[in-house]
Amino acid sequence: QVQLVQSGAEVKKPGASVKVSCKASGYTFTSYDINWVRQATGQGLEWMGWMNPNSGNTGYAQKFQGRVTMTRNTSISTAYMELSSLRSEDTAVYYCARVGNSGDYWGQGTLVTVSS
Amino acid sequence: EIVMTQSPATLSVSPGERATLSCRASQSVSSNLAWYQQKPGQAPRLLIYGASTRATGIPARFSGSGSGTEFTLTISSLQSEDFAVYYCQQYNNWLTWTFGQGTKVEIK
Repeated sequence: QVQLVQSGAEVKKPGASVKVSCKASGYTFTSYDINWVRQATGQGLEWMGWMNPNSGNTGYAQKFQGRVTMTRNTSISTAYMELSSLRSEDTAVYYCARVGNSGDYWGQGTLVTVSS
Repeated sequence: EIVMTQSPATLSVSPGERATLSCRASQSVSSNLAWYQQKPGQAPRLLIYGASTRATGIPARFSGSGSGTEFTLTISSLQSEDFAVYYCQQYNNWLTWTFGQGTKVEIK
């Protein structure tokens, strides 16, 4: 069955970077885009961007341009999202997701806490 | 940037009643509109895509309608498991997403 398994919780200081991984299984990793969505506690969903695992092409939400980088390692079917220059407002649960007309699959979420 | 606005923020409904949720786009998104359900501590779950197509395994009591800038999600007869937060989302060939702020459906 399709699964997306994310890396564990992170605690970072302001100004640092965080890299979250998302390991895919149960399907051909290069056949479906991976999107990243975050959610601060008690808040709504915020889309960050997408990556095509086959080509490596990416598209980022304007808000995160210059601060986010999405990459992949096809040999281990893993996508990565790196967010730099962290600030307290970046404290949130970060999800990877495969969503399309064929359905949706989400990672379990990774809590990133930014605190001095 | 397309802004998605959902109303109401909170909807109080009794089990068995109908719930109607609205979503408005700041400009036309054609039928590139999806609805998600999210329960506490869980990832979102896709209910509807293409404004009106139910995702696999979604019960028939969930229906979506609309096109352009005005969309509606209707839950025909609320079950206990339907009390959750619902988000609309516009997408452009699934390459650019924007979510609404969500509507919480709570028990009346």
